[in-house]
Formats: sequence, C-alpha cells, structure tokens
Amino acid sequence: DVKVTQSSRYLVKRTGEKVFLECVQDMDHENMFWYRQDPGLGLRLIYFSYDVKMKEKGDIPEGYSVSREKKERFSLILESASTNQTSMYLCASRSGLAGGTYSTDTQYFGPGTRLTVL
Amino acid sequence: SQQGEEDPQALSIQEGENATMNCSYKTSINNLQWYRQNSGRGLVHLILIRSNEREKHSGRLRVTLDTSKKSSSLLITASRAADTASYFCATGPALLQGAQKLVFGQGTRLTINP
Repeated sequence: DVKVTQSSRYLVKRTGEKVFLECVQDMDHENMFWYRQDPGLGLRLIYFSYDVKMKEKGDIPEGYSVSREKKERFSLILESASTNQTSMYLCASRSGLAGGTYSTDTQYFGPGTRLTVL
Repeated sequence: SQQGEEDPQALSIQEGENATMNCSYKTSINNLQWYRQNSGRGLVHLILIRSNEREKHSGRLRVTLDTSKKSSSLLITASRAADTASYFCATGPALLQGAQKLVFGQGTRLTINP
C-alpha cells in the first residue's frame, strides 16, 4: 500500500514565524502536491512537483514556497506565517511519468496537518 | 474556479438506504475520480472512471459518467454508518489542457443515521 506521511497532525505557530510542513511518500512517485482545504472553498492546489528539484505553482502559491531535494520528500514552507494561512494542509503523491500527459491518475493523500497561526 | 461541483452539498439518510451524489464539470476531461474524506483526515481514493467509460462498479459503489452532459454520479448502495464522510469528485484535464492537475469540487457531506 502507498503510504504518505506528514510531519505533524496539528501545529500552532505565531504570526511571522517560518513554518515547514514535511511530506514523505514511500512509493517512488514522481509527482507530489500540496493543497490547502478551507470550509466552503474545497481543496486548492498550492504547488506541485513532477520531479526532483522541479516545482510548479498551483492556483494559490502566494505566501508559500516548496522544496523537493529528494524524490520521496516534498516540503511546504511558509516564509512568514500569517493568520490567513490557518488551514488544513494536505499532501498527495501520484505515480506517472514525470511531466507525462497521462499522469492524472489516482492521488494518494497524507492524513493532513491542521495549522493554526495566532 | 473549481471544475467539479457536487450536488447536494449535504445529504442525510437512514442506514440501509442508497445515497446518490452528483458532480458536474465544465471542460473536457481525461478521467473523473471520487474521493472520500473522513472528518479531519486526508482523502482516500474510491474509484476512477475514464472519459471513454460510462459506468463503473466497485463493491457497493457505482459511478456513472455522461460526457455529453459533463456530469457524473456516485451511488452508494445499502449505506452504513461508516459511510458517513465527505465525498469529492475530481477531474483530470484532457490532454494538453492544464498541467496534470486534478481539480476538486467542494464536496458532499454525507451523514448516515442509525
């Protein structure tokens, strides 16, 4: 079974802090994703990566950056946390050719990190 | 804007009844997927139907896809309390559209009453 793990289930940070959210997958997937989920807004894609050291902006990248130094790990960074970044953050991974056109198959999600910024 | 829109937003039924949720989308797709999310947890993939398929079954789940109407439905038969969750449809864009991104709807909150 595919396993996607996230470093924390719950996290509380203060405004202005630098926050790291870590995601690790164990299935050698090329593609990894970060979403945030808010009531009434559904899941929104922040960033995704289709290969090591490659990244692409999703729909709401402002205020976030990412890092993919190893294939199994995809980190989401909040450079200076703000209260409007309080949310549930979900990481996902997916197999498929890096950048391939048939790579929109099943995504496997981690358990989520509920981040509160005070 | 979200590609997939689920209907209804919330559904409450008695255990043993069937639950039907609908999803509409706007542009051409390669596939459509349904996911389940238990409260406060990550999403779990349920079923994927490709654009050239019309119906698919998996256990108590039945998914239909009508590309002419740009809509899909998820039927859960003989519902159980453990089916209580939010259900999301997600669309994978047709070739050359988008950048391999799934686009999720806002979900249907299903409650199964004992």
